[in-house]
Amino acid sequence: ETGVTQSPTHLIKTRGQQVTLRCSSQSGHNTVSWYQQALGQGPQFIFQYYREEENGRGNFPPRFSGLQFPNYSSELNVNALELDDSALYLCASSPGLASHNEQFFGPGTRLTVL
Amino acid sequence: AQSVTQPDIHITVSEGASLELRCNYSYGATPYLFWYVQSPGQGLQLLLKYFSGDTLVQGIKGFEAEFKRSQSSFNLRKPSVHWSDAAEYFCAVGARSGGGADGLTFGKGTHLIIQP
Repeated sequence: ETGVTQSPTHLIKTRGQQVTLRCSSQSGHNTVSWYQQALGQGPQFIFQYYREEENGRGNFPPRFSGLQFPNYSSELNVNALELDDSALYLCASSPGLASHNEQFFGPGTRLTVL
Repeated sequence: AQSVTQPDIHITVSEGASLELRCNYSYGATPYLFWYVQSPGQGLQLLLKYFSGDTLVQGIKGFEAEFKRSQSSFNLRKPSVHWSDAAEYFCAVGARSGGGADGLTFGKGTHLIIQP
């Protein structure tokens, strides 16, 4: 069984640019959540996708957007990058919507904005 | 709004000694509670979770946690730590309703250092 994978591993962008991060969910999982983890902080919830629809969203501006595809893989897009967007971006998949489902995390994408 | 406090930013423990990491939460009702571990360059791995029932929860790698409703706490314990336990530990809460639409709320983490 393949776990959650994310690409790329590292990424360097400049202010104002746009970035797309990718996540492949674990086999059989139809729910994907994205988190931002700034240095020295805990992860913060960005949004959740369930069956290709955004199901919930944390306190992030609209320039953070996402997609989920029919195979349940997902993308996180960030427009107009700011220095504070530098962080580890974590993707987590789970086998359904229920709150008690365990979320399986990928290794993350380290984004640096210069 | 729900919140999680992990009062200890760093903890240093000698190998073989016991460990307790503190976690306090703020939530309107009893939430789902989780402990995750993050090793350098790795994602988060679930150690254990509390949903209901027995307030003492057993997890992987010899960890356990106790839910105390009166203290709004969910402290993580291990009777004897190993050098491989050195990592960042996160406590998290999740809402019981909404199907996870609010995501998990994490604390800022506790960095565990193991002395030989």
